[in-house]
Amino acid sequence: QKEVEQNSGPLSVPEGAIASLNCTYSDRGSQSFFWYRQYSGKSPELIMFIYSNGDKEDGRFTAQLNKASQYVSLLIRDSQPSDSATYLCAVIPSGGSYIPTFGRGTSLIVHP
Amino acid sequence: DGGITQSPKYLFRKEGQNVTLSCEQNLNHDAMYWYRQDPGQGLRLIYYSQIVNDFQKGDIAEGYSVSREKKESFPLTVTSAQKNPTAFYLCASSGTGGFRETQYFGPGTRLLVL
Repeated sequence: QKEVEQNSGPLSVPEGAIASLNCTYSDRGSQSFFWYRQYSGKSPELIMFIYSNGDKEDGRFTAQLNKASQYVSLLIRDSQPSDSATYLCAVIPSGGSYIPTFGRGTSLIVHP
Repeated sequence: DGGITQSPKYLFRKEGQNVTLSCEQNLNHDAMYWYRQDPGQGLRLIYYSQIVNDFQKGDIAEGYSVSREKKESFPLTVTSAQKNPTAFYLCASSGTGGFRETQYFGPGTRLLVL
């Protein structure tokens, strides 16, 4: 069973701080990695994707991938109360089906 | 605007009743998926289809059925055999070009049992 693990949280950070969300995966051959944000009662929306080791920045968001250690993280700089949501990590495993495996998500609370 | 639509937003099912959830996309995606989400849980794959007239079971297909007669449409039927259907149902679509393809989600249907 190919697994994706996330700390369920909640992770609570003050407004303006950096929020760091982590995700580990079991399949060493995994090829691509996605972060989705899901507000309560709503569907997931894509924030970022990353395929290669290293950092990828988009505005206040940075995705970090370390394939050797099998983890991917999402940093949110200058966190805002509107960032309060559940963040889902999704991983495309090896094997050719290209169907992502989702983690259970980390709840983030940004307090003023 | 391109996107995925799901209807209805809320659906109520009586005991012994089959209900059908609609999912339509105009993104010209070949692949479509159905997920179930329970409170505090991740997304669990019910069925997926990568081409018209073909579909595959996911991890929790028992009590569900699907069809894929058109590229744009992938309806999900929750049958009376599904004993615990109360959940948030999400439809998604993607291309089939490989590991770089991204899934996009519809707004979801919340199913409740009367």
